[in-house]
Amino acid sequence: ETGVTQSPTHLIKTRGQQVTLRCSSQSGHNTVSWYQQALGQGPQFIFQYYREEENGRGNFPPRFSGLQFPNYSSELNVNALELDDSALYLCASSLQKGSTDTQYFGPGTRLTVL
Amino acid sequence: SQQGEEDPQALSIQEGENATMNCSYKTSINNLQWYRQNSGRGLVHLILIRSNEREKHSGRLRVTLDTSKKSSSLLITASRAADTASYFCATPNQAGTALIFGKGTTLSVSS
Repeated sequence: ETGVTQSPTHLIKTRGQQVTLRCSSQSGHNTVSWYQQALGQGPQFIFQYYREEENGRGNFPPRFSGLQFPNYSSELNVNALELDDSALYLCASSLQKGSTDTQYFGPGTRLTVL
Repeated sequence: SQQGEEDPQALSIQEGENATMNCSYKTSINNLQWYRQNSGRGLVHLILIRSNEREKHSGRLRVTLDTSKKSSSLLITASRAADTASYFCATPNQAGTALIFGKGTTLSVSS
């Protein structure tokens, strides 16, 4: 166990709805990254937050947005859900920002869009 | 764009055998990481190897890095049924802000 928790575990939404996913970082970690993993694919980087500010963003539209709170927990919000948004959403925390440090992943949230 | 690509896509072996997975990448990197994922769950970090290192060990795992060939390999010795999982290599993106994952190698170890 990494100490990174995510909620909810599973979620079913319909197209056009909005969803909020939550992540609690490992103690002492000030950086959180979000990834989307479609079935049979590797995780794809959505964005990273370092001390409450965005520190990089992948090739995802603006309807994917995030927040990091003073306690370093984080939210991923997705508006106007599309069928292709169905995936496993993973958050990962790390001690340092960027990509030079080990990432500690949570168990993920499985989102199904109908 | 895909940075790391694992090979083979799938691997089936018997318990006790060794498993070797390879990863190729395209641009210069300062580190390469290997992760394991059990059946659609979260990823577990295995090893991080830096660009000035050629080999690293952790228990039954051995990782090599050849920066001249832009490739890495993960060797699992004396495999067990519990090693059944997907294995991913990950390299930094060009901005250094995130990890780029390949599609992974699915390893099946039968008893």
